[in-house]
Amino acid sequence: EAGVVQSPRYKIIEKKQPVAFWCNPISGHNTLYWYLQNLGQGPELLIRYENEEAVDDSQLPKDRFSAERLKGVDSTLKIQPAELGDSAVYLCASSLSGLNTEAFFGQGTRLTVV
Amino acid sequence: QKEVEQNSGPLSVPEGAIASLNCTYSDRVSQSFFWYRQYSGKSPELIMSIYSNGDKEDGRFTAQLNKASQYVSLLIRDSQPSDSATYLCAVGGNEKLTFGTGTRLTIIP
Repeated sequence: EAGVVQSPRYKIIEKKQPVAFWCNPISGHNTLYWYLQNLGQGPELLIRYENEEAVDDSQLPKDRFSAERLKGVDSTLKIQPAELGDSAVYLCASSLSGLNTEAFFGQGTRLTVV
Repeated sequence: QKEVEQNSGPLSVPEGAIASLNCTYSDRVSQSFFWYRQYSGKSPELIMSIYSNGDKEDGRFTAQLNKASQYVSLLIRDSQPSDSATYLCAVGGNEKLTFGTGTRLTIIP
């Protein structure tokens, strides 16, 4: 069974440019997370979806970040415009259903803003 | 107080010994507890989940949960150099799945 797939793996952009990340969760997983991880830190939640509904986006900087999960499967996270401080690893995870089921991570996207 | 706290380490353990990793959490209604292993430059990999008080064993790994003390631990028996990694504790409650900052473990050959 395929795991969580993310693309791209790496992205280097200039500040003020837009960037988008894509995530395909494990088949049948209703819950999808986007996390941000800085070096030496644990993952920090950006947004959580239950099917196509964003049930927790309280930590998403909505002035520049947006996300969508069309049809409750794939998801896209966008940053526009990117800032230097957005350099980090963006992780997508999925779980069967809800907060208390095991979550599995994709390979992550390492974003560098220059 | 952080929601999920871990000693950042580094924790150095001789090969073959038992490594003990600890995690405390603040939300008393937390229901699910997970341990992830993260190698440098890689994404977190789930190694254990535990939902009830007591011990849960899987191979060389044992997770221990004490909800009264709001404490969860991971024991790694017969530590191997390949166990050198950062170990993340994650706690699930009614509203969120929260990660600690991780403990860096080094197994010394």
